[in-house]
Amino acid sequence: GAGVSQSPSNKVTEKGKDVELRCDPISGHTALYWYRQSLGQGLEFLIYFQGNSAPDKSGLPSDRFSAERTGGSVSTLTIQRTQQEDSAVYLCASSEAPGQGYEQYFGPGTRLTVT
Amino acid sequence: EDKVVQSPLSLVVHEGDTVTLNCSYEVTNFRSLLWYKQEKKAPTFLFMLTSSGIEKKSGRLSSILDKKELFSILNITATQTGDSAVYLCAAALRGAGSYQLTFGKGTKLSVIP
Repeated sequence: GAGVSQSPSNKVTEKGKDVELRCDPISGHTALYWYRQSLGQGLEFLIYFQGNSAPDKSGLPSDRFSAERTGGSVSTLTIQRTQQEDSAVYLCASSEAPGQGYEQYFGPGTRLTVT
Repeated sequence: EDKVVQSPLSLVVHEGDTVTLNCSYEVTNFRSLLWYKQEKKAPTFLFMLTSSGIEKKSGRLSSILDKKELFSILNITATQTGDSAVYLCAAALRGAGSYQLTFGKGTKLSVIP
């Protein structure tokens, strides 16, 4: 079946503008994760959604970052008043269930460049 | 602070060589250790290790976990140019109801003909 999809694949924005990044998880996957990968750094956890439960926002770096997941499927990551340090690849992943037996499958990512 | 450290950071080998990639971790609420291969953007899943001492194999790749010494290795035998990629190690933790992954910075493997 189709994998995780993300859009746009690339986004260039000016400092101070808001951006929205979209993730479509694998059909039937109940868990959805957002990660950020900055140049030369490992992937950094941002936020996690599981079903209708309250999201785990413990990885969000500032209150300029927020995310929603509508209808338990598509998710949108919003960055307000973007800063140059927000430039990174934003990766979304989904898994069948939030258990140790279920690996996370990643989308192709959105490369965000803030000028 | 949760930490995953990979070594070496980069490695250049010739086709046919065998390589061993290392991953050590210091994390709370450890659940499992995962290996991913990242060629372009999307990391692709290789292995998930939960139990110590049980080797997982997939073709020329194999991996094992040592939960006492807190490390894992990924072996690739008879390397090919298509193995060139960044290999990521991640510890799956339970935190605040989720199972987030804490990643190392990766090992960049270059296989030259």
